[in-house]
Amino acid sequence: AQSVTQLDSQVPVFEEAPVELRCNYSSSVSVYLFWYVQYPNQGLQLLLKYLSGSTLVKGINGFEAEFNKSQTSFHLRKPSVHISDTAEYFCAVTPAGAGSYQLTFGKGTKLSVIP
Amino acid sequence: EPEVTQTPSHQVTQMGQEVILRCVPISNHLYFYWYRQILGQKVEFLVSFYNNEISEKSEIFDDQFSVERPDGSNFTLKIRSTKLEDSAMYFCASSEDPSYNEQFFGPGTRLTVL
Repeated sequence: AQSVTQLDSQVPVFEEAPVELRCNYSSSVSVYLFWYVQYPNQGLQLLLKYLSGSTLVKGINGFEAEFNKSQTSFHLRKPSVHISDTAEYFCAVTPAGAGSYQLTFGKGTKLSVIP
Repeated sequence: EPEVTQTPSHQVTQMGQEVILRCVPISNHLYFYWYRQILGQKVEFLVSFYNNEISEKSEIFDDQFSVERPDGSNFTLKIRSTKLEDSAMYFCASSEDPSYNEQFFGPGTRLTVL
């Protein structure tokens, strides 16, 4: 079984400042990792994913994340946030190559960008 | 851009009643999923569906729940006898091929059981 911990439930940050949203996972098998974003009244949208290869993954809207296997982390970063980045961000994992495609999510981090 | 749609956006029902939540997945997708999020808690996997049968289900998905693809476009989640603890946001998702590992989510249906 897998579990995901998002350490911060809410993160306020000023516009144009950098941000890091933290995600740690626990799993007895290799996993694929994902970040999803949810804007108000919308569904979850995939920001980026790590399946294999380079541990630095770039996604949409200027976000990137780094997979750290030794620390079992997959933190999301953006060097300069915009007001439009205000949303809830979810980290998720799924077993790698195991024929199971169910996503296990963290509780989410609400990012509030302050003008 | 194609998207997953869900109806209704909000459903209020009395405890013990049956509800059907509807989803229209993206048209060329073959794999379908239901997740739920109880207020303040994590998004939880319920079930996945492919080729007209359940592929995986979680412990939450007990005999009170069922899924169906009644036609070529809809994917439904039925809760036979709702309980207070079924109150949650229910998300439908679909994917073209799960090995691509991108599930596209709908906006959700908020179910309130009174």
